[in-house]
Amino acid sequence: QKEVEQDPGPLSVPEGAIVSLNCTYSNSAFQYFMWYRQYSRKGPELLMYTYSSGNKEDGRFTAQVDKSSKYISLFIRDSQPSDSATYLCAMRDYNAGNNRKLIWGLGTSLAVNP
Amino acid sequence: EADIYQTPRYLVIGTGKKITLECSQTMGHDKMYWYQQDPGMELHLIHYSYGVNSTEKGDLSSESTVSRIRTEHFPLTLESARPSHTSQYLCASSAAYEQYFGPGTRLTVT
Repeated sequence: QKEVEQDPGPLSVPEGAIVSLNCTYSNSAFQYFMWYRQYSRKGPELLMYTYSSGNKEDGRFTAQVDKSSKYISLFIRDSQPSDSATYLCAMRDYNAGNNRKLIWGLGTSLAVNP
Repeated sequence: EADIYQTPRYLVIGTGKKITLECSQTMGHDKMYWYQQDPGMELHLIHYSYGVNSTEKGDLSSESTVSRIRTEHFPLTLESARPSHTSQYLCASSAAYEQYFGPGTRLTVT
């Protein structure tokens, strides 16, 4: 079983819809959670970064962490065609010391249709 | 502007050639990483470095090698390219936990 599970999709929604993207994880020591957006043939771009539990909002994006359920979510409000991309979650074990390696999800492919 | 650069962006090369993929960052980050990613597939960490003269192999076995002689520079070398090396290679850097990526090098070995 992978440490981080993410449904690869593809997910297809109409423009203006609210999108929910999710990852589950098995390591209760994970404390740092990140969401990246990757357009085709480009490098991943950091969207949101949260520590421990709770919500964080940035414009149309909200990141949510539920450590009790080992579940993180990224919500996109008023989705736009330009949001069409692959969204990857990544996380890190607080107890890993100086180890800066991230554990990555497979990525969810999102298409927002005009 | 602080950024991370990769060259070349695209490379088509014949089997047996030696190649070096360049990665430079101007963010002053001490940690740098190389990932390999096939189209539609997950990221695989192949090398990382926590500072000058420090390099480690990643989770995916790779025939490539890396060096870190300067903080801002982390080149990846393939001594003898093979078709199985065809992939996208992504370089990243970090100061804390979040990593910042370059645009990638798309390598095709014929």
